[in-house]
Amino acid sequence: SQQGEEDPQALSIQEGENATMNCSYKTSINNLQWYRQNSGRGLVHLILIRSNEREKHSGRLRVTLDTSKKSSSLLITASRAADTASYFCATDATIQGAQKLVFGQGTRLTINP
Amino acid sequence: DAGVIQSPRHEVTEMGQEVTLRCKPISGHNSLFWYRQTMMRGLELLIYFNNNVPIDDSGMPEDRFSAKMPNASFSTLKIQPSEPRDSAVYFCASSTRGVQAQHFGDGTRLSIL
Repeated sequence: SQQGEEDPQALSIQEGENATMNCSYKTSINNLQWYRQNSGRGLVHLILIRSNEREKHSGRLRVTLDTSKKSSSLLITASRAADTASYFCATDATIQGAQKLVFGQGTRLTINP
Repeated sequence: DAGVIQSPRHEVTEMGQEVTLRCKPISGHNSLFWYRQTMMRGLELLIYFNNNVPIDDSGMPEDRFSAKMPNASFSTLKIQPSEPRDSAVYFCASSTRGVQAQHFGDGTRLSIL
């Protein structure tokens, strides 16, 4: 099964509101990354948070990591129509001796103008 | 700077035919990844090269799939013979930091009839 599971699967909000997406995972991780995917395009790396970090900011993005709960959240503040995309968490973990990046199923975010 | 370049963008072929997908990573990136994305299974890592050497091919579905990286600027993913269940979007990604901060191409949408 997927290492990362995201919640909600879909989120629709009004422009200007904040959007929060959550990711849960199962095993210990080296770091956790968030990616964005616009329709018909490849994934774009947004932010990486290491296992010893609790919070990280990048522009309107805020990521938190709680390793005791094996969960992370991505907050997008003051959302814009251009933020409409799917957002994926990806866990970097050592599984059976190999370093792997495993993606969640994603949250589909729609920003309504 | 040019990003990761994949070709073709779309491929439609009949089952049993050989399919070759191509990828040119970003210059200077020493890690290259092939992924497959479907609605049912999400984004799956197929194979990971580091310095042109396959590091992890545990995600390659079966012997019908093969991948090569003859030099630092080119990689291919081949399916022979193709089957309808291989229909998916195939992404190539590259990075300078292993599994971290990957740069994705825009994918090849493959349809096997």
